[in-house]
Amino acid sequence: QKEVEQNSGPLSVPEGAIASLNCTYSDRGSQSFFWYRQYSGKSPELIMFIYSNGDKEDGRFTAQLNKASQYVSLLIRDSQPSDSATYLCAVKRGSTLGRLYFGRGTQLTVWP
Amino acid sequence: SQTIHQWPATLVQPVGSPLSLECTVEGTSNPNLYWYRQAAGRGLQLLFYSVGIGQISSEVPQNLSASRPQDRQFILSSKKLLLSDSGFYLCAWSFVGWETQYFGPGTRLLVL
Repeated sequence: QKEVEQNSGPLSVPEGAIASLNCTYSDRGSQSFFWYRQYSGKSPELIMFIYSNGDKEDGRFTAQLNKASQYVSLLIRDSQPSDSATYLCAVKRGSTLGRLYFGRGTQLTVWP
Repeated sequence: SQTIHQWPATLVQPVGSPLSLECTVEGTSNPNLYWYRQAAGRGLQLLFYSVGIGQISSEVPQNLSASRPQDRQFILSSKKLLLSDSGFYLCAWSFVGWETQYFGPGTRLLVL
């Protein structure tokens, strides 16, 4: 079982819709969860992180964490064509100082 | 504010040639530093991380090595490149004690 799993996509949504990106992780002791956005040919950039169960909102982005189900998601409201990118989920396991485990990413396309 | 630099941006090297990629961070002291590789269609693979000068931890056995000669400088090297070394090499940094990692612009390496 992979440490962090994401649907590779591609996920395609129309402009203005809500895009929902999902991520599951295998280590129940995982503590911190991160979402990165990576445009084609560019390096990943941090969107947001979440530590506690529940929702965390930042502008059009909402991260949702459910530790019991070992599931973290990212919702993008009012999706824009500029949101078209690959979204990487990363997880810090409890025992590994500074070590993040990355999923392979979900490719999102927002069409006008 | 903190800035991370990587060079070169792109590199084409023949099989069997040496490699040296450099990463520097500005605006912070004693950062944790990381080298990742992202092969085409693959996820981010952590290669090395460092918590201080001269302190290097290797995640994956390979023909690559890393060094940290100065506090904010991280170097990735190889004595003889393989075709399989092609990929997008990313340097990242984080504050000590924090998991959030910030990526540099990356070096795209093609081994022919």
